[in-house]
Amino acid sequence: SQKIEQNSEALNIQEGKTATLTCNYTNYSPAYLQWYRQDPGRGPVFLLLIRENEKEKRKERLKVTFDTTLKQSLFHITASQPADSATYLCALPTGGFKTIFGAGTRLFVKA
Amino acid sequence: DGGITQSPKYLFRKEGQNVTLSCEQNLNHDAMYWYRQDPGQGLRLIYYSQIVNDFQKGDIAEGYSVSREKKESFPLTVTSAQKNPTAFYLCASRTNANTGELFFGEGSRLTVL
Repeated sequence: SQKIEQNSEALNIQEGKTATLTCNYTNYSPAYLQWYRQDPGRGPVFLLLIRENEKEKRKERLKVTFDTTLKQSLFHITASQPADSATYLCALPTGGFKTIFGAGTRLFVKA
Repeated sequence: DGGITQSPKYLFRKEGQNVTLSCEQNLNHDAMYWYRQDPGQGLRLIYYSQIVNDFQKGDIAEGYSVSREKKESFPLTVTSAQKNPTAFYLCASRTNANTGELFFGEGSRLTVL
């Protein structure tokens, strides 16, 4: 079955640095991949989508890459701020309208 | 404002009781979803519905039931058959576009006493 893996360990970085989060998947070739942000006790919020024919996508301080050979997506936050502290989830469509999520990576940005 | 409304936000139930979580959306989305999230874990799909009067089981449907009688509403019943019902439940919806993003509600936290 399809599986998504995100680094379960929290990522701690200093303000102003670039945060890089990893999403690996197996047993699947998705047409696209999505990234969401989740704050404690809240529902996830959509951030970015990248299609299989796109190598890179940018939105303000966010950048996502998609390597279909490695079956991996990288999510970067440049010039990170304490307000970026949250859990970041990657999500894949697995056929029809079904979407599965990774466990998420918790990011802490220290001032 | 358009969005998804889940209620109640917090719910306590005794073992053996069924409980129904409400999810309403005014985004005119066709597809709706229920996910469960346990501490430190990702979202696991319980049920989803692509259209009114139709729904499919997700990965962990046992012990849950849903209905989709109206486009705007997709209630989830947690039955007494669900062995570990204490969790954070999230409802979501999306358009029928191929790459439709999911819009989530604020979640319902169920605690079984």
